[in-house]
Amino acid sequence: GDSVTQMEGPVTLSEEAFLTINCTYTATGYPSLFWYVQYPGEGLQLLLKATKADDKGSNKGFEATYRKETTSFHLEKGSVQVSDSAVYFCALGGSARQLTFGSGTQLTVLP
Amino acid sequence: GAVVSQHPSWVICKSGTSVKIECRSLDFQATTMFWYRQFPKQSLMLMATSNEGSKATYEQGVEKDKFLINHASLTLSTLTVTSAHPEDSSFYICSARDRSGRSSYNEQFFGPGTRLTVL
Repeated sequence: GDSVTQMEGPVTLSEEAFLTINCTYTATGYPSLFWYVQYPGEGLQLLLKATKADDKGSNKGFEATYRKETTSFHLEKGSVQVSDSAVYFCALGGSARQLTFGSGTQLTVLP
Repeated sequence: GAVVSQHPSWVICKSGTSVKIECRSLDFQATTMFWYRQFPKQSLMLMATSNEGSKATYEQGVEKDKFLINHASLTLSTLTVTSAHPEDSSFYICSARDRSGRSSYNEQFFGPGTRLTVL
């Protein structure tokens, strides 16, 4: 079945540091890939998505590229801010699939 | 667009009582709604898939008699936690798929969640 393996946290960075959160997946066919962000006490918000191989999703300075050859969808941001502190979930889905989530990575950005 | 609301945002109840949580799609019609449960510092666990006008499909290990789901219309699904106990305390999140198919990859839109505390 589908599965998502996500870098374990927590991750603590200083403001303006570079962020990478690793995500790899196992799936048959051609899933869509997502990154969701959850701020404290809130539900999930879609951060970015990619629907096919080599697509790059981007939003709010975050980027992730759908790499079929390495079955990866790593999240990156060049310069994090305190306001980026949240839990980040990698997920796969699309078409008739249910969403399958990774375990989540807690990010804390210190001023 | 694509806003999903949940009500209440938080609720505290006594053990043995029942609690109803509403999930509404505010600006679209939802063919399918999903209910998730999230434990502290953990990922989302899919509880059930709810289709309008039909019975919900529950994931393995989820008691359908305890977690009653009613998808009364294309914009409303409810989750009722019956005879709640402290171990049912959790963060419950719903999501919905847009019936119009404007999202080619069947994106789910998430509600803000409901924090349930059972005393």
